[in-house]
Amino acid sequence: RKEVEQDPGPFNVPEGATVAFNCTYSNSASQSFFWYRQDCRKEPKLLMSVYSSGNEDGRFTAQLNRASQYISLLIRDSKLSDSATYLCVVTPLGGYQKVTFGTGTKLQVIP
Amino acid sequence: GAGVSQSPSNKVTEKGKDVELRCDPISGHTALYWYRQRLGQGLEFLIYFQGNSAPDKSGLPSDRFSAERTGESVSTLTIQRTQQEDSAVYLCASSLALGTVNTEAFFGQGTRLTVV
Repeated sequence: RKEVEQDPGPFNVPEGATVAFNCTYSNSASQSFFWYRQDCRKEPKLLMSVYSSGNEDGRFTAQLNRASQYISLLIRDSKLSDSATYLCVVTPLGGYQKVTFGTGTKLQVIP
Repeated sequence: GAGVSQSPSNKVTEKGKDVELRCDPISGHTALYWYRQRLGQGLEFLIYFQGNSAPDKSGLPSDRFSAERTGESVSTLTIQRTQQEDSAVYLCASSLALGTVNTEAFFGQGTRLTVV
């Protein structure tokens, strides 16, 4: 099983729709979680951290489910500018283990 | 500089030649990562450096690939005897040490390697 798994998509949704992505991770000792966004031909950039209690930033909501070992990203009222690839990132519990990036879920918002 | 700097931004090389890619991380970032991303594909982990610990080389695809890092500064990724399948964007990222408050990884803009 991969350390971090995501559905590659693409998810094609109309403007204004709500869309959600999940990301599963295999290491139950994982500590921190993030969602990154990567635009076409650009480098990934941090979108938001994922807190245990869940967190919201405008139209974006991130959730963590430790029991089932997955994180989710919900985007409400999708905009054309949300079209990108969304990468989930899992960080182990301290030490010198590396951060692990998922391969990303592609979202295409269509007019 | 303020961000992760990679050079060159673009490199076209002939099959069989060696190439060297450079990454200058954010000052103070002890963790450094190299990833490969083929066109339309996800990130493929290559190698990870953390301070003075032995690097995690588990992602290097073949012995033609190697990387070095001097202390907590610049890293170079070397590809020997390049093949066409090596064509990709090579991304470098750096972050503070794990266990600190903010372990966000910052990426450079990548080196686009084309092997002809």
